[in-house]
Amino acid sequence: NAGVTQTPKFRVLKTGQSMTLLCAQDMNHEYMYWYRQDPGMGLRLIHYSVGEGTTAKGEVPDGYNVSRLKKQNFLLGLESAAPSQTSVYFCASSGRTGGSYEQYFGPGTRLTVT
Amino acid sequence: AQSVAQPEDQVNVAEGNPLTVKCTYSVSGNPYLFWYVQYPNRGLQFLLKYITGDNLVKGSYGFEAEFNKSQTSFHLKKPSALVSDSALYFCAVSDPNTNAGKSTFGDGTTLTVKP
Repeated sequence: NAGVTQTPKFRVLKTGQSMTLLCAQDMNHEYMYWYRQDPGMGLRLIHYSVGEGTTAKGEVPDGYNVSRLKKQNFLLGLESAAPSQTSVYFCASSGRTGGSYEQYFGPGTRLTVT
Repeated sequence: AQSVAQPEDQVNVAEGNPLTVKCTYSVSGNPYLFWYVQYPNRGLQFLLKYITGDNLVKGSYGFEAEFNKSQTSFHLKKPSALVSDSALYFCAVSDPNTNAGKSTFGDGTTLTVKP
């Protein structure tokens, strides 16, 4: 049981390049999330999904797109990277455990845009 | 709208002393409340939660938290701190009446335990 995994762990992009971050979970969770974490700003929700084939915008969705074609995977895309997107990205998943939805996080992807 | 506040950016305690990390929240109805811990260069780990029932909830690593509805607080506590407890702690709230799966996180509190 690997929990939540993220690929890649590190990435350096040049401004304007594109990339996709992959998140996978093996806990059969309904919900999946993408966050970014910046110094002094805590965690900010980018997009989330309440089930396969569904996505919704979070707090800071601009510049990002997501897809959830399979229940276990949640992809985060950057179509044209900008230096402001330099951050640590975390994926999380949650399911209805005992009536609640505590989240389980991946190890993070450190992205630098130059 | 739901929100959570962690009024202290940093908490310093000596090893062996009790620790408290504060959290207050705002939701329209009864909240779901969570605490998470983040060690350096790692993802967040779930510590404990309050859903309903006993106001004092116990979690991993000897941590506990007390739900206080009148003060809208959910402070994290531990009777005797360890150096290994040094980490970044996040409080989170969700509103089961609107979207139980969508939590709002506080900005985090850095706990430093000195030997």
